[in-house]
Amino acid sequence: QVQLQESGPGLVKPSETLSLTCTVSGGSISSYYWSWIRQPAGKGLEWIGRIYTSGSTNYNPSLKSRVTMSVDTSKNQFSLKLSSVTAADTAVYYCARDIVVVVAATGFNWFDPWGQGTLVTVSS
Amino acid sequence: SYELTQPPSVSVSPGQTARITCSGDALPKQYAYWYQQKPGQAPVLVIYKDSERPSGIPERFSGSSSGTTVTLTISGVQAEDEADYYCQSADSSGTYRDVVFGGGTKLTVL
Repeated sequence: QVQLQESGPGLVKPSETLSLTCTVSGGSISSYYWSWIRQPAGKGLEWIGRIYTSGSTNYNPSLKSRVTMSVDTSKNQFSLKLSSVTAADTAVYYCARDIVVVVAATGFNWFDPWGQGTLVTVSS
Repeated sequence: SYELTQPPSVSVSPGQTARITCSGDALPKQYAYWYQQKPGQAPVLVIYKDSERPSGIPERFSGSSSGTTVTLTISGVQAEDEADYYCQSADSSGTYRDVVFGGGTKLTVL
């Protein structure tokens, strides 16, 4: 079955760029959407955005100006960059397969499976 | 911005039925999805498209929808069901492009 694993620095300085990669194993990354979701300690889930294997993206409007996502199908990986980070960006970051279904021009999506998550702390 | 509203907490005794609600104006037009998150673990999908159960999820988990409210029902609650539960849907534009999560409900098994 498909498994996802996040990787990247656990500590990022304020104003710098957070960079994470998600490696997909047990299946091909192709023909699916893939999302990043984060969760500050003790708080709820926040969707950051998604990327399709063609490279097309949708971002959360609240983060759009700072987010860039990319995909490398040859490595079965996709990545997140979040620029100009502050302490408010400290969170556990999850990657997940984003299952999107479009029926009669209406789209539906859900996330399954998820990676185990990686804690990123923004601090000097 | 669009919001999904969940009660912060629900408590039940073992063997009883737990019901967790999620309310949102767009829910009549959009499906809802439910995730279980145990401490220190990633969320796991337990219900999709309002009432469908993924393979491997126990039959005691079920979902339903009525108007602007969807409900996750756990019948015969077990101690292992103690977790945070999040609903997820999309905004009122009827697309999948803007994802929204509810604030989460902590289920306590007494």
